[in-house]
Amino acid sequence: DAGVIQSPRHEVTEMGQEVTLRCKPISGHDYLFWYRQTMMRGLELLIYFNNNVPIDDSGMPEDRFSAKMPNASFSTLKIQPSEPRDSAVYFCASSLRLAGPYEQYFGPGTRLTVT
Amino acid sequence: GEDVEQSLFLSVREGDSSVINCTYTDSSSTYLYWYKQEPGAGLQLLTYIFSNMDMKQDQRLTVLLNKKDKHLSLRIADTQTGDSAIYFCAERTGNTGKLIFGQGTTLQVKP
Repeated sequence: DAGVIQSPRHEVTEMGQEVTLRCKPISGHDYLFWYRQTMMRGLELLIYFNNNVPIDDSGMPEDRFSAKMPNASFSTLKIQPSEPRDSAVYFCASSLRLAGPYEQYFGPGTRLTVT
Repeated sequence: GEDVEQSLFLSVREGDSSVINCTYTDSSSTYLYWYKQEPGAGLQLLTYIFSNMDMKQDQRLTVLLNKKDKHLSLRIADTQTGDSAIYFCAERTGNTGKLIFGQGTTLQVKP
């Protein structure tokens, strides 16, 4: 398997623009997670899905952020409108199950810069 | 609330042992994890320990868990330059999908 795939790897946009980050989880994994990593706040869980259904979105910072998972092999994280403070590395991760010492497999991340 | 803390930086010489420490607050943690992040890459699971264990060894890695003090450590024996990375401690509570990560410890290995 190719692992978790994220696109784009780098995104530079101007404040106010819409940004869409994409993720393809590992085939067969039922859980998908979106994280944000910054120097100030470290690694934060934004939202996670189980079987395409959002389970916990308490980490989504505000209404400008939205995430969808229209099918088992694709998810998007959208920021509209974007702001400079959204600059971060956004990771997607997927997992086979929650029971036991399940491993979250991380994608390479999307580095977002909002100017 | 849930919180995981780590020291931010550790520097060792090649061949020495490295010990990275972590403290957590949630006494109901079920699993504790160590992840490694190399530059420009995502996190990769190194090892984990179940909360009813106090030690786990996997080749050069030794994980020690002191549940009473809520202290977790990762020892890397014979540290190599390829071990230079950021190491994250994480805890998981119950059967939720949520992992709480520490800030990460940057390990620098000098030749």
